[in-house]
Amino acid sequence: ETGVTQSPTHLIKTRGQQVTLRCSSQSGHNTVSWYQQALGQGPQFIFQYYREEENGRGNFPPRFSGLQFPNYSSELNVNALELDDSALYLCASSLDLGGYEQYFGPGTRLTVT
Amino acid sequence: DQQVKQNSPSLSVQEGRISILNCDYTNSMFDYFLWYKKYPAEGPTFLISISSIKDKNEDGRFTVFLNKSAKHLSLHIVPSQPGDSAVYFCAASGNAGNMLTFGGGTRLMVKP
Repeated sequence: ETGVTQSPTHLIKTRGQQVTLRCSSQSGHNTVSWYQQALGQGPQFIFQYYREEENGRGNFPPRFSGLQFPNYSSELNVNALELDDSALYLCASSLDLGGYEQYFGPGTRLTVT
Repeated sequence: DQQVKQNSPSLSVQEGRISILNCDYTNSMFDYFLWYKKYPAEGPTFLISISSIKDKNEDGRFTVFLNKSAKHLSLHIVPSQPGDSAVYFCAASGNAGNMLTFGGGTRLMVKP
């Protein structure tokens, strides 16, 4: 059983650009959640996808969007990057909506200059 | 509005002694609580959880206690080992699904 993987590991972008981060969930996991972790803080919930539909959203603007695919992969897209978007982006998968244990990937470190 | 708070940013403990990490929450809709451990350059790793219908859950050296009336939970690690040195996050989930609200983390250092 493979764990949750994310790509790329690190990324540097310029303010105003767009970025796509990728995640591969554990096989069989129907739910994927994305979190943003700023330096020195705990992860903050961005949104969750269940069976390819958005199931909930945290306090993030619409320029943060996502997709979930049938092959247990997912994407986080961020448009019009701002300096404050610099953070570690984590994806987490869980078996189902009722499965509270979420398994995290190693994260993508995004730096916006 | 921080719904989950870990008021101690760091904790230093001697190897073999007990480590106690604390967490407070404000949202009474939370019904499931989890602790995660995070090493540098890795994602958070699930450690232990507790449902609001319980007040204690044990797993080996790790025990989580929940005091619903005080909206407080704690993680006890006995005995502490140098390999336990990491950042520990408590997280909470409510009936909206398993979206997690995290605290700010406590860095635990276990000295040999």
